[in-house]
Amino acid sequence: EPEVTQTPSHQVTQMGQEVILRCVPISNHLYFYWYRQILGQKVEFLVSFYNNEISEKSEIFDDQFSVERPDGSNFTLKIRSTKLEDSAMYFCASSEGRAKSIQFTPGLFGEGSRLTVL
Amino acid sequence: AQKITQTQPGMFVQEKEAVTLDCTYDTSDQSYGLFWYKQPSSGEMIFLIYQGSYDEQNATEGRYSLNFQKARKSANLVISASQLGDSAMYFCAMKDDYKLSFGAGTTVTVRA
Repeated sequence: EPEVTQTPSHQVTQMGQEVILRCVPISNHLYFYWYRQILGQKVEFLVSFYNNEISEKSEIFDDQFSVERPDGSNFTLKIRSTKLEDSAMYFCASSEGRAKSIQFTPGLFGEGSRLTVL
Repeated sequence: AQKITQTQPGMFVQEKEAVTLDCTYDTSDQSYGLFWYKQPSSGEMIFLIYQGSYDEQNATEGRYSLNFQKARKSANLVISASQLGDSAMYFCAMKDDYKLSFGAGTTVTVRA
């Protein structure tokens, strides 16, 4: 069964350092997402990406965050200068269609990348 | 903007019994979809079940069923014959244009 894969599974970094989280979405999916879950809290949407550009982003997704699809398979989330409050689980997801479309698949999630900022 | 409310922070259920997890939502859209995900202690998000707003029947997937009451804007998850492996956090979510919006989650603990 196809799956979304994420690396690393866990990363520990010092405050102020740059972090890149990587995701390989399902191959025929066109929409890609990053979500964040601070420990013990709900899952929050960060950004959606389609056709090589951001289609929607939340207020959490400020200038320190960026996403790109550098090579047609990977989908990355970069945090430019990490802060303590960036410590969270980051989930990548992908789907065939836009959320509101009939073709929308459930949004298959990767296993998450746990980021710890010290 | 969509809003999902899960009012039960935690629930205990005896093994082999059924448990109902509440979810209410707020939307002005006529066409929408609702999801339930399971998050075990290992952290991954596992899709369980989906209900479309125009689906005439309640969704079912094995031991999971969704009690969809459109007029009340509720989409409760029913887990029948609970197993120890069902102990996890459960999230209700609604699709909103380009993303999913999640509720706060309900922690389910199954007792032997």
